[in-house]
Amino acid sequence: TQLLEQSPQFLSIQEGENLTVYCNSSSVFSSLQWYRQEPGEGPVLLVTVVTGGEVKKLKRLTFQFGDARKDSSLHITAAQPGDTGLYLCAGAKNSGGSNYKLTFGKGTLLTVNP
Amino acid sequence: DAGVIQSPRHEVTEMGQEVTLRCKPISGHNSLFWYRQTMMRGLELLIYFNNNVPIDDSGMPEDRFSAKMPNASFSTLKIQPSEPRDSAVYFCASSPGTGRIFGSGTQLSVL
Repeated sequence: TQLLEQSPQFLSIQEGENLTVYCNSSSVFSSLQWYRQEPGEGPVLLVTVVTGGEVKKLKRLTFQFGDARKDSSLHITAAQPGDTGLYLCAGAKNSGGSNYKLTFGKGTLLTVNP
Repeated sequence: DAGVIQSPRHEVTEMGQEVTLRCKPISGHNSLFWYRQTMMRGLELLIYFNNNVPIDDSGMPEDRFSAKMPNASFSTLKIQPSEPRDSAVYFCASSPGTGRIFGSGTQLSVL
């Protein structure tokens, strides 16, 4: 069972375009994280969102956590080739005081062409 | 800090051979995770250690897989005997809390 569905699976755009990728679930998460993974490297944490409806900005990246804490989106403004990578969302559930279990989506592979 | 250090970066072996993957977590992080990443299944948690103690190994595929953490600065993931379906990228990650700091991974190919 895939608890976190990410869409689109692949996205190829030109430099300067805007884009939004989505992370959806039928489950409620106590927090949600976004990672970016470049070829040959491990995922790197970009942001953690905790509160339903929360919006966080990281330069040209805007992250939003859904009101019901079941979904999230990542919007990139004026994409650059350096934004190329696999974007992964991961949801945490606070179970019995322990939230170590992160469920990862399969990711959106973004390619930004110069 | 140099981050999470994994070795080797690449491993090519033949079916039936023993494979040992190594990880040095970030100093001071009390949680360590082993993950496996494939195109089909994405990132899967194999095992989680807290303060060097295995807490959850429910993700370990079968008895051929074992993991140890003899001290706070070292962990191993062993596959014996290895099979072609074990081919994947294996990541180690450490954490002081909820976020994960990943190593660069070990690309394992079992022929």
